[in-house]
Amino acid sequence: QVTLRESGPALVNPRQTLTLTCTYSGFSLNADGMSVTWVRQPPGKALEWLAHIDWDGDQYYNPSLKTRLTISRDTSKSQVVLTMTNMDPVDTATYYCARIPGQCSPSICSSFGYFDFWGQGTLVTVSS
Amino acid sequence: DIQMTQSPSTLSASVGDRVTITCRASHYISDWLAWYQQKPGQAPKVLIYDASTLHSGVPSRFSGSGSGTEFTLTISSLQPDDFATYYCQQFNTYSKFFGQGTKVEVK
Repeated sequence: QVTLRESGPALVNPRQTLTLTCTYSGFSLNADGMSVTWVRQPPGKALEWLAHIDWDGDQYYNPSLKTRLTISRDTSKSQVVLTMTNMDPVDTATYYCARIPGQCSPSICSSFGYFDFWGQGTLVTVSS
Repeated sequence: DIQMTQSPSTLSASVGDRVTITCRASHYISDWLAWYQQKPGQAPKVLIYDASTLHSGVPSRFSGSGSGTEFTLTISSLQPDDFATYYCQQFNTYSKFFGQGTKVEVK
């Protein structure tokens, strides 16, 4: 059974750094072409893709937020961590992590690209 | 960057209606497109991937079509559980951008 769960602070001060952790189970991030991604959603607004990290540790970022984001993984703990620097009230949102499925053949791994399992999300409010 | 544009932004419909939502990509994305459903207070759920493949467990009244830059999500007969917001997403590139969403509301 695949599950993902986000954790982190509910309230962050402006200009602080946000650190969110996604703890996953039911799959391995360093095998089978799997990836984990982060998505956010400001209240009443659309989904925004932030970043993802794939099975061999490669990282990909939303170009508009790239300078503020870092995604990393600890496969021994089944965790993916997202940090976002210089938080602003406009960064107030529900932050989700999700799995991107994939597959590996003997010679190559490939990602399927879409997000098939999601965490329940964690609301982060940026305010002093 | 590939931008995704959905239309309409809001759609008013009744139970039993056939509903169609359109998604346009700013550049060619082949069939690397997914559709998600999101209800208030819940995480999104994938409905369709690769433009037309129904995800496991999704009712057959949902269907997707299109390729290249124009795509549609169709609900053949709208059910009470289908009132929600729908998002398209491209995954042709590493930047996996979403459309702005289409809210399907009660007419």
